[in-house]
Amino acid sequence: DGGITQSPKYLFRKEGQNVTLSCEQNLNHDAMYWYRQDPGQGLRLIYYSQIVNDFQKGDIAEGYSVSREKKESFPLTVTSAQKNPTAFYLCASSMGRGSEQYFGPGTRLTVT
Amino acid sequence: LAKTTQPISMDSYEGQEVNITCSHNNIATNDYITWYQQFPSQGPRFIIQGYKTKVTNEVASLFIPADRKSSTLSLPRVSLSDTAVYYCLVGDRRSENFNKFYFGSGTKLNVKP
Repeated sequence: DGGITQSPKYLFRKEGQNVTLSCEQNLNHDAMYWYRQDPGQGLRLIYYSQIVNDFQKGDIAEGYSVSREKKESFPLTVTSAQKNPTAFYLCASSMGRGSEQYFGPGTRLTVT
Repeated sequence: LAKTTQPISMDSYEGQEVNITCSHNNIATNDYITWYQQFPSQGPRFIIQGYKTKVTNEVASLFIPADRKSSTLSLPRVSLSDTAVYYCLVGDRRSENFNKFYFGSGTKLNVKP
């Protein structure tokens, strides 16, 4: 089955710790994305990558970092610099610019 | 990036047709209109995309008037399982900025029995 996997589904961390969220896709898509969603709100773009070894900041990149060393993987690190990291994080991929995006199941991060 | 405006919420009953309208007064010539559906605690799912007139697939229709300043997502004979948030997005598929489109808060559709 082709798709996007995110792990873990729930993640708990203490304030001040960095945490890395996993995102893997086997759809052979070139583009991958990370979004953040807060309760009752829409999605906000954190980072996106259109090809391996390249990525661009989205609207709320501060406090986050990414890497794209493999086509299949686009991990997101939530650093201690992110002031309000508790949120629902969604990873997506698409064939390319403007194409339909396929989303993973999400990771709900709680930082206390 | 064209800003979109949607109703915050809508109620409907099972078996009814539901029409959700999205306003995008500043839509540009090369912009496409895309709709996604999101269930609670899940990622959004693509529903339909169009540029002008009417587009139909197995789950929905998208109506776009000639001036393209609005669009209407039509869901035929909704069921309880159609209760979700629906997002309207507008962007130029060829632009480097297309991937930075804005999801907004969407329209929360509540289907009642």
